[in-house]
Amino acid sequence: EAGVVQSPRYKIIEKKQPVAFWCNPISGHNTLYWYLQNLGQGPELLIRYENEEAVDDSQLPKDRFSAERLKGVDSTLKIQPAELGDSAVYLCASREPGLANNEQFFGPGTRLTVL
Amino acid sequence: AQSVSQHNHHVILSEAASLELGCNYSYGGTVNLFWYVQYPGQHLQLLLKYFSGDPLVKGIKGFEAEFIKSKFSFNLRKPSVQWSDTAEYFCAVNNYGQNFVFGPGTRLSVLP
Repeated sequence: EAGVVQSPRYKIIEKKQPVAFWCNPISGHNTLYWYLQNLGQGPELLIRYENEEAVDDSQLPKDRFSAERLKGVDSTLKIQPAELGDSAVYLCASREPGLANNEQFFGPGTRLTVL
Repeated sequence: AQSVSQHNHHVILSEAASLELGCNYSYGGTVNLFWYVQYPGQHLQLLLKYFSGDPLVKGIKGFEAEFIKSKFSFNLRKPSVQWSDTAEYFCAVNNYGQNFVFGPGTRLSVLP
Protein backbone atom coordinates (compact mmCIF):
# COMPACT_ATOMS: atom_id res chain seq x y z
CA GLU A 1 0.00 0.00 0.00
CA ALA A 2 1.41 3.39 -0.95
CA GLY A 3 1.95 5.84 1.85
CA VAL A 4 1.22 9.54 1.96
CA VAL A 5 2.90 11.22 -0.99
CA GLN A 6 4.18 14.77 -0.92
CA SER A 7 5.90 16.89 -3.50
CA PRO A 8 8.22 18.55 -3.88
CA ARG A 9 10.54 17.21 -1.20
CA TYR A 10 12.60 20.38 -1.18
CA LYS A 11 11.89 23.91 -2.31
CA ILE A 12 14.08 27.00 -2.21
CA ILE A 13 12.51 30.33 -3.06
CA GLU A 14 13.16 33.99 -2.51
CA LYS A 15 10.98 35.94 -0.14
CA LYS A 16 7.80 37.40 -1.57
CA GLN A 17 7.55 34.57 -4.10
CA PRO A 18 4.60 32.16 -4.09
CA VAL A 19 5.01 28.46 -3.37
CA ALA A 20 2.70 25.44 -3.41
CA PHE A 21 2.93 22.02 -1.84
CA TRP A 22 0.98 18.95 -2.90
CA CYS A 23 -0.18 15.97 -0.89
CA ASN A 24 -1.85 12.73 -1.89
CA PRO A 25 -3.13 10.80 1.15
CA ILE A 26 -3.43 7.07 1.54
CA SER A 27 -6.34 5.75 -0.48
CA GLY A 28 -9.53 5.71 1.56
CA HIS A 29 -8.30 8.16 4.16
CA ASN A 30 -10.88 10.90 4.33
CA THR A 31 -9.14 12.99 6.98
CA LEU A 32 -6.15 15.04 5.84
CA TYR A 33 -3.92 17.27 7.92
CA TRP A 34 -1.35 19.88 7.03
CA TYR A 35 1.27 20.59 9.68
CA LEU A 36 4.19 22.96 9.99
CA GLN A 37 7.31 21.70 11.72
CA ASN A 38 10.04 24.10 12.70
CA LEU A 39 13.51 22.80 13.43
CA GLY A 40 13.67 21.15 16.83
CA GLN A 41 9.94 21.38 17.42
CA GLY A 42 6.92 19.17 17.08
CA PRO A 43 4.41 19.43 14.24
CA GLU A 44 1.85 22.21 14.58
CA LEU A 45 -1.50 21.87 12.88
CA LEU A 46 -2.32 24.30 10.09
CA ILE A 47 -5.53 22.82 8.74
CA ARG A 48 -7.61 19.66 8.94
CA TYR A 49 -9.92 18.37 6.23
CA GLU A 50 -12.72 15.87 6.49
CA ASN A 51 -13.25 14.90 2.85
CA GLU A 52 -13.36 18.22 0.98
CA GLU A 53 -14.41 20.30 3.98
CA ALA A 54 -11.88 22.27 6.00
CA VAL A 55 -13.20 21.54 9.48
CA ASP A 56 -10.45 23.33 11.35
CA ASP A 57 -8.37 26.10 9.81
CA SER A 58 -8.08 28.20 12.94
CA GLN A 59 -4.29 27.95 12.96
CA LEU A 60 -3.85 28.78 9.27
CA PRO A 61 -2.47 32.31 8.69
CA LYS A 62 -5.08 33.23 6.16
CA ASP A 63 -3.46 36.44 5.04
CA ARG A 64 -0.82 34.46 3.15
CA PHE A 65 -1.69 30.77 3.43
CA SER A 66 -4.44 28.94 1.59
CA ALA A 67 -5.33 25.31 1.09
CA GLU A 68 -7.74 23.30 -0.98
CA ARG A 69 -8.94 19.75 -1.31
CA LEU A 70 -11.48 20.12 -4.05
CA LYS A 71 -12.40 16.48 -4.64
CA GLY A 72 -11.72 15.24 -1.15
CA VAL A 73 -8.61 13.35 -2.18
CA ASP A 74 -5.36 15.21 -2.83
CA SER A 75 -4.67 18.61 -1.39
CA THR A 76 -2.58 21.70 -2.10
CA LEU A 77 -1.18 24.16 0.42
CA LYS A 78 -0.09 27.55 -0.89
CA ILE A 79 1.86 30.43 0.54
CA GLN A 80 1.72 33.79 -1.18
CA PRO A 81 3.86 35.72 -0.60
CA ALA A 82 6.42 33.70 1.31
CA GLU A 83 8.34 35.28 4.17
CA LEU A 84 11.68 34.37 5.71
CA GLY A 85 9.93 32.95 8.76
CA ASP A 86 8.05 30.44 6.64
CA SER A 87 11.18 28.32 6.28
CA ALA A 88 10.18 24.99 7.80
CA VAL A 89 9.07 21.48 6.94
CA TYR A 90 5.47 21.20 5.81
CA LEU A 91 3.99 17.83 6.66
CA CYS A 92 0.89 16.16 5.37
CA ALA A 93 -0.83 13.35 7.23
CA SER A 94 -3.95 11.28 6.67
CA ARG A 95 -6.24 9.10 8.74
CA GLU A 96 -8.92 6.61 7.79
CA PRO A 97 -12.53 6.99 8.87
CA GLY A 98 -13.73 5.75 12.23
CA LEU A 99 -12.56 6.66 15.70
CA ALA A 100 -11.35 3.12 16.31
CA ASN A 101 -8.55 3.74 13.86
CA ASN A 102 -7.33 7.07 15.08
CA GLU A 103 -3.75 6.74 13.88
CA GLN A 104 -2.28 9.31 11.52
CA PHE A 105 0.12 8.42 8.76
CA PHE A 106 2.66 11.02 7.75
CA GLY A 107 4.25 11.87 4.46
CA PRO A 108 7.96 12.71 4.12
CA GLY A 109 7.33 16.44 4.18
CA THR A 110 8.41 19.36 2.03
CA ARG A 111 11.37 21.31 3.33
CA LEU A 112 10.93 24.96 2.41
CA THR A 113 13.79 27.42 2.49
CA VAL A 114 12.95 31.08 1.97
CA LEU A 115 15.94 33.27 1.13
CA ALA B 1 -6.64 23.99 24.95
CA GLN B 2 -4.65 20.81 25.03
CA SER B 3 -0.90 20.92 25.45
CA VAL B 4 1.84 18.32 25.59
CA SER B 5 5.16 18.72 27.34
CA GLN B 6 8.21 16.53 27.05
CA HIS B 7 10.67 16.66 29.88
CA ASN B 8 13.93 16.41 28.02
CA HIS B 9 15.07 18.27 24.94
CA HIS B 10 18.11 16.09 24.29
CA VAL B 11 19.07 12.78 25.88
CA ILE B 12 22.45 11.14 25.35
CA LEU B 13 22.91 7.49 26.29
CA SER B 14 25.38 4.72 25.70
CA GLU B 15 24.26 1.52 24.03
CA ALA B 16 22.55 -0.94 26.40
CA ALA B 17 21.50 1.84 28.78
CA SER B 18 17.86 2.05 29.79
CA LEU B 19 15.67 4.82 28.43
CA GLU B 20 12.75 6.73 29.81
CA LEU B 21 11.35 9.77 28.06
CA GLY B 22 8.77 11.81 29.90
CA CYS B 23 5.51 13.09 28.45
CA ASN B 24 2.75 15.00 30.19
CA TYR B 25 -0.43 16.34 28.69
CA SER B 26 -3.10 18.75 29.81
CA TYR B 27 -6.63 17.62 29.04
CA GLY B 28 -9.23 16.46 31.48
CA GLY B 29 -11.25 14.21 29.25
CA THR B 30 -10.68 10.89 27.54
CA VAL B 31 -7.67 10.93 25.29
CA ASN B 32 -5.76 8.79 22.87
CA LEU B 33 -2.00 8.93 23.34
CA PHE B 34 0.77 8.30 20.86
CA TRP B 35 4.50 8.19 20.55
CA TYR B 36 5.96 8.91 17.14
CA VAL B 37 9.59 8.53 16.10
CA GLN B 38 11.48 10.34 13.39
CA TYR B 39 14.74 8.72 12.36
CA PRO B 40 17.30 10.94 10.66
CA GLY B 41 16.14 11.76 7.16
CA GLN B 42 12.90 9.81 7.50
CA HIS B 43 9.29 10.72 8.08
CA LEU B 44 7.35 10.42 11.31
CA GLN B 45 6.37 6.86 12.18
CA LEU B 46 4.09 5.54 14.87
CA LEU B 47 5.95 3.81 17.70
CA LEU B 48 2.98 2.92 19.86
CA LYS B 49 -0.45 4.12 20.88
CA TYR B 50 -2.88 3.94 23.79
CA PHE B 51 -6.63 4.02 23.29
CA SER B 52 -8.03 2.15 26.30
CA GLY B 53 -7.53 -0.95 28.42
CA ASP B 54 -4.15 -2.04 29.75
CA PRO B 55 -2.25 1.16 30.55
CA LEU B 56 1.05 -0.52 29.68
CA VAL B 57 1.31 -0.64 25.92
CA LYS B 58 3.99 -2.27 23.85
CA GLY B 59 5.16 -0.92 20.54
CA ILE B 60 7.65 -1.74 17.88
CA LYS B 61 11.38 -2.27 18.40
CA GLY B 62 11.06 -3.12 22.10
CA PHE B 63 9.52 0.18 23.18
CA GLU B 64 6.74 0.41 25.71
CA ALA B 65 4.83 3.22 27.39
CA GLU B 66 2.76 3.49 30.51
CA PHE B 67 -0.34 5.64 30.78
CA ILE B 68 -0.84 7.02 34.29
CA LYS B 69 -4.13 8.86 34.24
CA SER B 70 -3.71 10.45 37.66
CA LYS B 71 -0.44 12.00 36.56
CA PHE B 72 -1.54 12.87 33.03
CA SER B 73 1.59 11.10 31.88
CA PHE B 74 2.54 8.72 29.09
CA ASN B 75 6.23 7.98 29.49
CA LEU B 76 8.17 6.00 26.92
CA ARG B 77 10.61 3.31 28.00
CA LYS B 78 13.08 0.86 26.57
CA PRO B 79 15.22 -1.40 28.75
CA SER B 80 18.28 -1.41 26.50
CA VAL B 81 18.81 1.12 23.71
CA GLN B 82 20.72 0.53 20.52
CA TRP B 83 22.64 2.92 18.31
CA SER B 84 19.83 2.57 15.76
CA ASP B 85 17.40 4.15 18.24
CA THR B 86 19.04 7.52 17.62
CA ALA B 87 16.11 9.66 16.52
CA GLU B 88 13.66 12.33 17.57
CA TYR B 89 10.70 11.16 19.65
CA PHE B 90 7.38 12.98 19.79
CA CYS B 91 4.52 12.44 22.20
CA ALA B 92 1.04 13.35 20.93
CA VAL B 93 -2.50 13.45 22.26
CA ASN B 94 -5.86 13.30 20.51
CA ASN B 95 -9.23 13.58 22.20
CA TYR B 96 -11.35 11.35 20.01
CA GLY B 97 -11.76 12.82 16.61
CA GLN B 98 -10.33 16.19 17.37
CA ASN B 99 -6.94 17.42 16.38
CA PHE B 100 -3.63 15.92 17.37
CA VAL B 101 -1.40 18.00 19.59
CA PHE B 102 2.30 17.18 19.59
CA GLY B 103 4.95 17.78 22.16
CA PRO B 104 8.16 19.62 21.25
CA GLY B 105 10.09 16.37 20.87
CA THR B 106 13.08 14.78 22.55
CA ARG B 107 16.21 14.10 20.59
CA LEU B 108 17.86 10.83 21.58
CA SER B 109 21.50 10.24 20.76
CA VAL B 110 22.83 6.74 21.45
CA LEU B 111 26.58 6.43 21.53
CA PRO B 112 28.07 3.19 20.18
